[in-house]
Amino acid sequence: NAGVTQTPKFQVLKTGQSMTLQCAQDMNHEYMSWYRQDPGMGLRLIHYSVGAGITDQGEVPNGYNVSRSTTEDFPLRLLSAAPSQTSVYFCASSRPEGSQYFGPGTRLLVL
Amino acid sequence: KQEVTQIPAALSVPEGENLVLNCSFTDSAIYNLQWFRQDPGKGLTSLLLIQSSQREQTSGRLNASLDKSSGRSTLYIAASQPGDSATYLCAGGLTGGFKTIFGAGTRLFVKA
Repeated sequence: NAGVTQTPKFQVLKTGQSMTLQCAQDMNHEYMSWYRQDPGMGLRLIHYSVGAGITDQGEVPNGYNVSRSTTEDFPLRLLSAAPSQTSVYFCASSRPEGSQYFGPGTRLLVL
Repeated sequence: KQEVTQIPAALSVPEGENLVLNCSFTDSAIYNLQWFRQDPGKGLTSLLLIQSSQREQTSGRLNASLDKSSGRSTLYIAASQPGDSATYLCAGGLTGGFKTIFGAGTRLFVKA
C-alpha cells in the first residue's frame, strides 16, 4: 500500500492564481482531512470529509474548497491564492475511531 | 471550543533519561487522544491512539495515558535515544473522531 500520497511536493504561486493540491489514499478509509501547518501554531483543520459526497468545514476554511467524489481522492482547491496561504499542507485519512495516517505534505509559497 | 496545549515547547535531555511530555485539553468530551511524531520536513507518524474509554496505551518504550476528568494526557518515553529527537504532537479528537484539534508540539532533543 502507498498509504496517503500528496502532489505536488512543492509549489510556488503568484497572488491571485488558483491551484489544486491532490490527495489520495489506498486504504479504503472513510475519513479524510486537510490541515495546514504554520510555525508555532500546530496543525489547523481546513476541511474534512466523512465519506464520498460529504464534506464540511474545519477551523480555517476561508479561501479553500474541497470535494469528495470517490473514497480515494480528496483534492483541495485554492481559489485565489494569497500570501497568507503560504504554509505546509497535510492530508490525512482514517477509519472511524482509528488512527490518522498523514501524507508527506505539500509546501506552498505564495508570492 | 476545544483547545490543546503542550508543555514544554522544547526539551533537551541526555541519552538514557526517562522523560514525560504533557498535553492538556479544555473539553473533557474528547473522543480520542492521539500522539504523533514529526521529523523535520516530514509528515506525521502516529505513535499511540487512546480511545475515550481507555486510560493508557503502550508501544515499546512509549506509554501514553489519558485522564479525561483532569483534561490531561502524558507521553512517557523510557530510556531516551538520539533517534527519539523529533517534534511530538498530541491531538484531541472531537465527537465522532473526524475533527481533530492539535497542540503546537514539543520539540525534543536527545543528546548522545
